[in-house]
Amino acid sequence: DAKTTQPTSMDCAEGRAANLPCNHSTISGNEYVYWYRQIHSQGPQYIIHGLKNNETNEMASLIITEDRKSSTLILPHATLRDTAVYYCIVRVGQAGTALIFGKGTTLSVSS
Amino acid sequence: EAGVAQSPRYKIIEKRQSVAFWCNPISGHATLYWYQQILGQGPKLLIQFQNNGVVDDSQLPKDRFSAERLKGVDSTLKIQPAKLEDSAVYLCASSFWGGSSYEQYFGPGTRLTVT
Repeated sequence: DAKTTQPTSMDCAEGRAANLPCNHSTISGNEYVYWYRQIHSQGPQYIIHGLKNNETNEMASLIITEDRKSSTLILPHATLRDTAVYYCIVRVGQAGTALIFGKGTTLSVSS
Repeated sequence: EAGVAQSPRYKIIEKRQSVAFWCNPISGHATLYWYQQILGQGPKLLIQFQNNGVVDDSQLPKDRFSAERLKGVDSTLKIQPAKLEDSAVYLCASSFWGGSSYEQYFGPGTRLTVT
């Protein structure tokens, strides 16, 4: 699986959009971009995933560049409960494939 | 729907003792994973089961760690004997095999402290 690069930490004011970047310059054509987050003392939680097109669900939006070498996870209106470690993971889109986690980005949302 | 259940939530043991963790995946999920998460790091896969067969155990320290998934449902992970460096959170996750869902669902984890 391709490696990803994320900033170690980011801050965001409550109510503002949080934009979390991820670089995956060696991504292969059959690999998807997945985002998970881990709130303190909980297990990781799936947020969103995409292949080429931008994706949106009730939690977040995922913007993937045309060359697919980077992506951005957008939390449109961050709340204090969004404070967590966010992991960007690249892997083939096959159910039953294990996840390879990096260190992720610690997002701190403050009031 | 009920989530992935794990027990115990916390465990403190002395080095060289043994310990076992239990996981009950989401009903119908054929694939089960055990991850180890050391403080400050992302989770690392230890072992993956498909039903009751092992798919990947390449990162499992087999001299001290063992895992089983009897009847393709519940799973146990055992450490014997424990070392100080085994202090970590042990996460169980499950997912469907096949179909269009690519999510893994994680349990709350078991925090192990080895003294």
